[in-house]
Amino acid sequence: GAGVSQSPRYKVAKRGQDVALRCDPISGHVSLFWYQQALGQGPEFLTYFQNEAQLDKSGLPSDRFFAERPEGSVSTLKIQRTQQEDSAVYLCASSLIQGGSYNSPLHFGNGTRLTVT
Amino acid sequence: DQQVKQNSPSLSVQEGRISILNCDYTNSMFDYFLWYKKYPAEGPTFLISISSIKDKNEDGRFTVFLNKSAKHLSLHIVPSQPGDSAVYFCAASANNNNDMRFGAGTRLTVKP
Repeated sequence: GAGVSQSPRYKVAKRGQDVALRCDPISGHVSLFWYQQALGQGPEFLTYFQNEAQLDKSGLPSDRFFAERPEGSVSTLKIQRTQQEDSAVYLCASSLIQGGSYNSPLHFGNGTRLTVT
Repeated sequence: DQQVKQNSPSLSVQEGRISILNCDYTNSMFDYFLWYKKYPAEGPTFLISISSIKDKNEDGRFTVFLNKSAKHLSLHIVPSQPGDSAVYFCAASANNNNDMRFGAGTRLTVKP
Protein backbone atom coordinates (compact mmCIF):
# COMPACT_ATOMS: atom_id res chain seq x y z
CA GLY A 1 0.00 0.00 0.00
CA ALA A 2 0.99 3.56 0.64
CA GLY A 3 4.32 4.61 2.04
CA VAL A 4 5.00 6.43 5.28
CA SER A 5 2.70 9.43 5.56
CA GLN A 6 3.48 12.51 7.64
CA SER A 7 1.31 15.50 8.44
CA PRO A 8 1.33 18.39 8.29
CA ARG A 9 3.87 18.91 5.50
CA TYR A 10 4.66 22.38 6.79
CA LYS A 11 4.13 23.92 10.19
CA VAL A 12 4.87 27.46 11.28
CA ALA A 13 4.78 28.01 15.02
CA LYS A 14 5.40 31.05 17.15
CA ARG A 15 8.09 30.60 19.77
CA GLY A 16 6.58 29.10 22.88
CA GLN A 17 3.76 27.35 21.05
CA ASP A 18 3.24 23.59 21.31
CA VAL A 19 3.18 21.51 18.12
CA ALA A 20 2.20 17.93 17.28
CA LEU A 21 3.54 16.10 14.25
CA ARG A 22 1.88 12.94 13.00
CA CYS A 23 3.33 9.86 11.34
CA ASP A 24 1.40 7.01 9.70
CA PRO A 25 3.89 4.19 9.09
CA ILE A 26 3.57 1.49 6.48
CA SER A 27 0.94 -0.99 7.62
CA GLY A 28 2.47 -3.91 9.46
CA HIS A 29 5.79 -2.24 10.10
CA VAL A 30 7.01 -3.03 13.58
CA SER A 31 9.64 -0.37 14.00
CA LEU A 32 9.12 3.38 13.86
CA PHE A 33 11.78 6.05 14.06
CA TRP A 34 11.80 9.82 14.33
CA TYR A 35 14.69 11.86 12.95
CA GLN A 36 15.44 15.58 12.95
CA GLN A 37 17.17 17.06 9.92
CA ALA A 38 18.59 20.56 10.18
CA LEU A 39 19.36 22.53 7.03
CA GLY A 40 22.42 21.16 5.25
CA GLN A 41 22.77 18.23 7.64
CA GLY A 42 21.92 14.58 7.61
CA PRO A 43 19.06 13.16 9.66
CA GLU A 44 19.75 12.90 13.40
CA PHE A 45 18.14 10.11 15.41
CA LEU A 46 15.54 11.18 17.96
CA THR A 47 13.64 8.12 19.13
CA TYR A 48 12.63 4.56 18.25
CA PHE A 49 9.52 2.46 18.84
CA GLN A 50 9.05 -1.25 18.50
CA ASN A 51 5.29 -1.61 18.24
CA GLU A 52 3.93 0.57 21.06
CA ALA A 53 7.04 0.42 23.20
CA GLN A 54 9.45 3.33 23.07
CA LEU A 55 12.74 1.46 23.32
CA ASP A 56 15.15 4.30 22.74
CA LYS A 57 14.65 8.01 23.29
CA SER A 58 18.28 8.92 23.72
CA GLY A 59 18.23 11.33 20.78
CA LEU A 60 15.48 13.59 22.06
CA PRO A 61 17.25 16.93 22.61
CA SER A 62 15.30 18.03 25.67
CA ASP A 63 12.33 17.19 27.83
CA ARG A 64 10.25 19.49 25.63
CA PHE A 65 10.23 16.67 23.08
CA PHE A 66 7.83 13.79 23.59
CA ALA A 67 6.82 10.96 21.29
CA GLU A 68 4.15 8.31 21.55
CA ARG A 69 2.77 5.39 19.59
CA PRO A 70 -0.05 4.15 21.82
CA GLU A 71 -1.49 1.45 19.56
CA GLY A 72 1.67 0.45 17.77
CA SER A 73 0.81 2.14 14.49
CA VAL A 74 0.36 5.93 14.25
CA SER A 75 2.93 7.98 16.12
CA THR A 76 2.93 11.59 17.29
CA LEU A 77 5.97 13.72 18.02
CA LYS A 78 5.10 16.59 20.32
CA ILE A 79 7.30 19.58 20.95
CA GLN A 80 6.33 21.85 23.81
CA ARG A 81 7.25 25.51 24.12
CA THR A 82 8.96 25.54 20.74
CA GLN A 83 12.23 27.42 20.32
CA GLN A 84 13.84 28.75 17.17
CA GLU A 85 16.48 26.04 17.29
CA ASP A 86 13.69 23.46 16.88
CA SER A 87 13.25 24.63 13.28
CA ALA A 88 14.07 21.62 11.11
CA VAL A 89 12.54 18.89 9.00
CA TYR A 90 11.20 16.07 11.15
CA LEU A 91 11.36 12.74 9.40
CA CYS A 92 9.51 9.60 10.37
CA ALA A 93 10.65 6.19 9.15
CA SER A 94 9.37 2.67 9.60
CA SER A 95 10.75 -0.78 8.97
CA LEU A 96 9.27 -4.23 8.82
CA ILE A 97 11.33 -5.83 11.54
CA GLN A 98 12.89 -4.70 14.75
CA GLY A 99 15.93 -2.49 14.61
CA GLY A 100 15.48 -1.48 11.03
CA SER A 101 18.98 -2.21 9.89
CA TYR A 102 19.71 -5.70 8.70
CA ASN A 103 17.63 -6.78 5.73
CA SER A 104 14.99 -4.20 6.49
CA PRO A 105 16.05 -0.69 5.57
CA LEU A 106 14.15 2.31 6.79
CA HIS A 107 11.29 3.69 4.71
CA PHE A 108 11.05 7.43 5.24
CA GLY A 109 8.10 9.77 4.97
CA ASN A 110 8.42 13.12 3.23
CA GLY A 111 8.85 14.90 6.52
CA THR A 112 7.28 17.87 8.29
CA ARG A 113 9.13 21.15 7.90
CA LEU A 114 8.78 23.05 11.17
CA THR A 115 9.60 26.74 11.25
CA VAL A 116 9.57 28.49 14.62
CA THR A 117 9.34 32.27 14.38
CA ASP B 1 30.29 14.24 17.13
CA GLN B 2 30.27 13.44 13.44
CA GLN B 3 30.79 9.71 13.28
CA VAL B 4 29.87 9.60 9.61
CA LYS B 5 31.37 12.19 7.32
CA GLN B 6 30.72 13.08 3.74
CA ASN B 7 33.35 15.68 3.00
CA SER B 8 32.13 16.66 -0.45
CA PRO B 9 28.94 18.68 -0.24
CA SER B 10 28.47 18.52 -4.00
CA LEU B 11 29.58 16.64 -7.10
CA SER B 12 28.89 17.32 -10.76
CA VAL B 13 29.42 14.74 -13.51
CA GLN B 14 28.55 14.35 -17.15
CA GLU B 15 25.84 11.93 -18.21
CA GLY B 16 27.31 8.52 -19.02
CA ARG B 17 30.36 9.00 -16.81
CA ILE B 18 31.02 7.44 -13.43
CA SER B 19 29.91 9.17 -10.23
CA ILE B 20 31.90 8.36 -7.10
CA LEU B 21 30.53 9.47 -3.74
CA ASN B 22 32.70 9.05 -0.68
CA CYS B 23 32.00 8.51 2.99
CA ASP B 24 34.29 8.14 6.01
CA TYR B 25 33.41 6.94 9.47
CA THR B 26 35.14 6.98 12.82
CA ASN B 27 33.30 4.37 14.88
CA SER B 28 34.97 0.99 14.43
CA MET B 29 31.85 -0.68 15.87
CA PHE B 30 29.83 0.17 12.77
CA ASP B 31 29.07 -3.02 10.91
CA TYR B 32 26.31 -2.10 8.50
CA PHE B 33 26.37 0.69 5.97
CA LEU B 34 23.69 2.09 3.73
CA TRP B 35 23.24 4.70 1.04
CA TYR B 36 20.04 6.69 0.78
CA LYS B 37 19.00 8.97 -2.05
CA LYS B 38 16.88 12.07 -1.49
CA TYR B 39 14.99 14.21 -3.96
CA PRO B 40 13.82 17.71 -2.94
CA ALA B 41 10.75 17.77 -0.69
CA GLU B 42 10.83 13.99 -0.30
CA GLY B 43 12.17 11.70 2.38
CA PRO B 44 15.33 9.66 1.80
CA THR B 45 14.85 6.39 -0.07
CA PHE B 46 17.02 3.34 0.43
CA LEU B 47 19.45 2.66 -2.38
CA ILE B 48 21.99 0.00 -1.45
CA SER B 49 23.67 -1.45 1.62
CA ILE B 50 26.69 -3.47 2.66
CA SER B 51 27.62 -5.37 5.79
CA SER B 52 31.10 -5.35 7.22
CA ILE B 53 31.74 -8.93 6.20
CA LYS B 54 31.82 -7.84 2.57
CA ASP B 55 33.93 -5.35 0.70
CA LYS B 56 31.68 -4.90 -2.31
CA ASN B 57 28.00 -5.03 -3.13
CA GLU B 58 26.59 -4.42 -6.57
CA ASP B 59 23.05 -3.68 -7.70
CA GLY B 60 22.68 -2.71 -11.33
CA ARG B 61 24.40 0.61 -11.96
CA PHE B 62 25.16 1.03 -8.26
CA THR B 63 28.12 -0.48 -6.43
CA VAL B 64 29.19 0.16 -2.87
CA PHE B 65 32.77 -0.51 -1.80
CA LEU B 66 33.84 -0.86 1.83
CA ASN B 67 37.41 -0.46 3.06
CA LYS B 68 37.28 -1.33 6.75
CA SER B 69 40.92 -0.64 7.45
CA ALA B 70 40.54 2.89 6.12
CA LYS B 71 37.01 3.27 7.57
CA HIS B 72 35.91 4.40 4.17
CA LEU B 73 33.12 3.51 1.82
CA SER B 74 32.17 4.76 -1.58
CA LEU B 75 29.20 4.58 -3.91
CA HIS B 76 29.86 4.21 -7.62
CA ILE B 77 27.17 4.97 -10.15
CA VAL B 78 27.93 3.98 -13.71
CA PRO B 79 26.78 5.12 -16.14
CA SER B 80 25.38 8.21 -14.46
CA GLN B 81 22.00 9.47 -15.64
CA PRO B 82 20.31 12.87 -15.16
CA GLY B 83 17.66 11.16 -13.00
CA ASP B 84 20.41 10.27 -10.54
CA SER B 85 20.66 13.95 -9.60
CA ALA B 86 19.78 14.04 -5.90
CA VAL B 87 21.34 14.28 -2.46
CA TYR B 88 23.01 11.04 -1.36
CA PHE B 89 23.34 10.19 2.32
CA CYS B 90 25.72 7.64 3.74
CA ALA B 91 24.50 5.93 6.94
CA ALA B 92 25.98 3.45 9.40
CA SER B 93 24.87 1.42 12.39
CA ALA B 94 26.44 -0.92 14.94
CA ASN B 95 25.13 -4.33 16.01
CA ASN B 96 21.78 -3.73 14.36
CA ASN B 97 21.01 -1.04 16.89
CA ASN B 98 18.49 1.66 16.39
CA ASP B 99 20.73 4.68 16.30
CA MET B 100 21.67 4.86 12.64
CA ARG B 101 24.09 7.71 11.98
CA PHE B 102 23.90 9.71 8.79
CA GLY B 103 26.43 11.84 6.99
CA ALA B 104 25.57 15.38 5.92
CA GLY B 105 24.95 14.33 2.34
CA THR B 106 26.47 14.97 -1.09
CA ARG B 107 24.45 16.69 -3.77
CA LEU B 108 25.04 14.94 -7.10
CA THR B 109 24.25 16.73 -10.33
CA VAL B 110 24.39 14.74 -13.55
CA LYS B 111 24.51 17.01 -16.59
CA PRO B 112 22.96 15.86 -19.88
